[in-house]
Amino acid sequence: QVQLQESGPGLVKPSETLSLTCTVSGGSISSLSYYWSWIRQPAGKGLEWIGRIFSSGTTNHNASLRSRVTMAIDTSNNQFSLKLTSVTAADTAVYYCARVGRDASNNWYIDLWGRGTLVTVSS
Amino acid sequence: QTVVTQEPSFSVSPGGTVTLTCGLSSGSVSSSFYPNWFQQTPGQAPRTLMYSTNTRSSGVPDRFSGSILGNKAALTITGAQADDESDYYCALYMGSGIWVFGGGTKVTVL
Repeated sequence: QVQLQESGPGLVKPSETLSLTCTVSGGSISSLSYYWSWIRQPAGKGLEWIGRIFSSGTTNHNASLRSRVTMAIDTSNNQFSLKLTSVTAADTAVYYCARVGRDASNNWYIDLWGRGTLVTVSS
Repeated sequence: QTVVTQEPSFSVSPGGTVTLTCGLSSGSVSSSFYPNWFQQTPGQAPRTLMYSTNTRSSGVPDRFSGSILGNKAALTITGAQADDESDYYCALYMGSGIWVFGGGTKVTVL
């Protein structure tokens, strides 16, 4: 079955760039049926949608983060990535990658999640 | 800015029924927002329970049901069990690839 796994540094210094990769196994990231998303969750708080990317490289971002977010997709390695620039302590969170799909009736859904990776912003 | 609203917490007795809602700070939620519901226990990733208002994800027990109640999306747990004690989040699709999550509801079964 399809699985998602986040990877990247667990500690990032303030003002630097957070970089994460999500590896998709058991299925192709090039599938035309799915988008690939990043979602984060600060400790003790709710979920925040960051953005999504399609296999073509088309992206959509949360407006509150848009100027700091870059997403990319590597179809040859079945991976997609997130870069968040100029990080502060407020960016400390568990970061999840997730799969977003649309069924035959054009109903949108988020159906698969990675286990999440904690990124702490601290000097 | 769009805010998706959820009750902060609910308590339900074992075997009881509880309905969680997902609304908008401005406007009504309809099926056109494709409401999704997720369950999360401490230290775990969210698990998708429901999508497109009332379609259960694979393996989700039928004691979970989704609907539109008035101007909100709703998730009902009928016959609550101890392992339903979790945080529940809804997410709404705003169009143009944009999703917004609610703040979550903590459900206690006691």
